Amino acid sequence: SQKIEQNSEALNIQEGKTATLTCNYTNYSPAYLQWYRQDPGRGPVFLLLIRENEKEKRKERLKVTFDTTLKQSLFHITASQPADSATYLCALARYSGGGADGLTFGKGTHLIIQP
Amino acid sequence: DAGITQSPRYKITETGRQVTLMCHQTWSHSYMFWYRQDLGHGLRLIYYSAAADITDKGEVPDGYVVSRSKTENFPLTLESATRSQTSVYFCASSEWGQPQHFGDGTRLSIL
Repeated sequence: SQKIEQNSEALNIQEGKTATLTCNYTNYSPAYLQWYRQDPGRGPVFLLLIRENEKEKRKERLKVTFDTTLKQSLFHITASQPADSATYLCALARYSGGGADGLTFGKGTHLIIQP
Repeated sequence: DAGITQSPRYKITETGRQVTLMCHQTWSHSYMFWYRQDLGHGLRLIYYSAAADITDKGEVPDGYVVSRSKTENFPLTLESATRSQTSVYFCASSEWGQPQHFGDGTRLSIL
C-alpha cells in the first residue's frame, strides 16, 4: 500500500528565513500531490496542488516542487512569519481517480516560526 | 455563507451507544468524504461518496455506516460506539480531481 512520510517532529525556523518541508512517498506513482495547512482545532485548508508533469509551482510566498523520480515533494515558505506556524500536511490521491476516492495523508510537519 | 458544516462540534457518549455525526455542504460538490484524525496516524479515510446514493469504503470503515440521500448531506453513524472510535472526525467535499474542502471537525469522546 502507498505510504507517505513527512518529518513529523516540530520544525523551528527563525522569522524571515525560508522553511522547507519534505514529503516522501513509496509504492505509488501519483498523478498529483497536494499540500494542506491545519491550525489547532480546525480542519485542513488546501494550499497547493502540483501535477506529475509539473516540476514546480508557486503561490505568493509558497513554492512546491515535485520529483517523481525521487518520489519526493518539497514545500517552501519564503520570508516566513509567525502566522505561518501550523501543521502542514502532504496528501496523495489513493488511486488514480484524481482523489475522487479519497486522499492518503502524511502525518504532517508542525512548523514553528520564531520571532 | 457557502461552506461545509459539521455538527456537533463536540460529543461525549458511552460505549455501545449509537451516535450520528452530521455533515452539510452548500457547494453542491459531487464527492464527500469522512476522515478520522488520531495522534500518530494522521488523517485516515473512513468512507466516501461520489454522488447521492453512491458510497464506498475507505481505509478504516469497520464500525461505521454512511448514507447519502441528498447531495448536500453525508451523515456518519457509529452503530455501537467503542473506545477505539474516540477521535476527531472531519468531513470534506470536492469535485472530481479538485482539492478537498474540510469542515472544522467533530471531537468525539467515547467513555
